[in-house]
Amino acid sequence: SSELTQDPAVSVALGQTVRITCQGDSLRSYYASWYQQKPGQAPVLVIYGKNNRPSGIPDRFSGSTSGNTASLTITGAQAQDEADYYCNSRDSSGNHYVFGTGTKVTVL
Amino acid sequence: EVQLVESGGGLVQPGRSLRLSCAASGFTFDDYAIHWVRQAPGKGLEWVSGISWNSGTIGYADSVKGRFTISRDNAKNSLYLQMTSLRAEDTALYYCAKDINYDSSGSFDYWGQGTLVTVSS
Repeated sequence: SSELTQDPAVSVALGQTVRITCQGDSLRSYYASWYQQKPGQAPVLVIYGKNNRPSGIPDRFSGSTSGNTASLTITGAQAQDEADYYCNSRDSSGNHYVFGTGTKVTVL
Repeated sequence: EVQLVESGGGLVQPGRSLRLSCAASGFTFDDYAIHWVRQAPGKGLEWVSGISWNSGTIGYADSVKGRFTISRDNAKNSLYLQMTSLRAEDTALYYCAKDINYDSSGSFDYWGQGTLVTVSS
């Protein structure tokens, strides 16, 4: 079972803000990365490190961490943001990597 | 343009072996760690294995340790995954994913399109 827990699904009205959370003990020591995956496509990295966006990722995506919880915030959600989102980080031993359980984001 | 192209997947019987390959282009391959990540049909992502730029650091998920072996050939810009004693639960789409760092940070900035492995009798 995953050591990183996410809510299975969230919904957000078009143009509004949504926060997706990822909980796990390892997040007290390591940053999470966040990936967006649309149906039939490979995942895309949207946030890594403290709050870094790869080239080409819109600035409406941001990341933060507090205690054992990492968050991905989409400010002004767009229809194209509808996707599954996964966090990942090191596991509690620090030697391996683990993905979160995933959150399906629906834009209404 | 960074490209990662996986190959070698297919239908295999339980207990048999299979070797996956990932051909990389568009970046300096031996400057980065590379990983295998899999996704069972309709399920989430699972990290399988990773290897640092010089093969000095290698890691495996507990679910595959002792059965899978990761390797890389920097001269050929290629990554491999030798899979033995395959089980039904290994059925998944296997992605090759590039790390942002040479020594494995766990952040994967480029992914291939995956190769499907189906373990069934």
